[in-house]
Amino acid sequence: GAVVSQHPSWVICKSGTSVKIECRSLDFQATTMFWYRQFPKQSLMLMATSNEGSKATYEQGVEKDKFLINHASLTLSTLTVTSAHPEDSSFYICSAPPFEGVAQYFGPGTRLLVL
Amino acid sequence: KQEVTQIPAALSVPEGENLVLNCSFTDSAIYNLQWFRQDPGKGLTSLLLIQSSQREQTSGRLNASLDKSSGRSTLYIAASQPGDSATYLCAVKETSGSRLTFGEGTQLTVNP
Repeated sequence: GAVVSQHPSWVICKSGTSVKIECRSLDFQATTMFWYRQFPKQSLMLMATSNEGSKATYEQGVEKDKFLINHASLTLSTLTVTSAHPEDSSFYICSAPPFEGVAQYFGPGTRLLVL
Repeated sequence: KQEVTQIPAALSVPEGENLVLNCSFTDSAIYNLQWFRQDPGKGLTSLLLIQSSQREQTSGRLNASLDKSSGRSTLYIAASQPGDSATYLCAVKETSGSRLTFGEGTQLTVNP
């Protein structure tokens, strides 16, 4: 079945640093990928839609200058948390649909802890 | 704006019981509905996908139904096992190109 990977799975960083998270579709091409954030005991909240070859679409309330998204190829999207602060600590998950009408596949998630 | 609600928020049952998880959504004009399982600290595993034209889908001990007109879906788990313990999320997709809107999830604990 379709597989989506994320790297790294865990990251701990100091406040003020930038962190890059990669999302890859391993055996299919994805023109669209989605980035979600999940706080403890809460459901997933969509942050942005990553579109290959064009700008990402951000959800209301998500700062595009803080959460930089790049979808440079059909198999890779990156999310960069710039100048991370403790309140950015969360579980970040990406997903991609292999094609329409098929279940959407999720990466294993990246847990970010900002000290 | 689509809103998805899951009831109950948490459920604890003894091993072997059959159980039903509920999901409701406010806008019935959906493209599909998907049930996921999430283990603590892990990503999501897709369990069942129901297209808007379908009434139900089955996979092993799992059966998901969809009643679009009333904005409801149920996930039925037969003969529950401790390994079924996880958080179950339902999510709806409104159009073919849109994102998923998630419910808050039901945290299931199956006791041996």
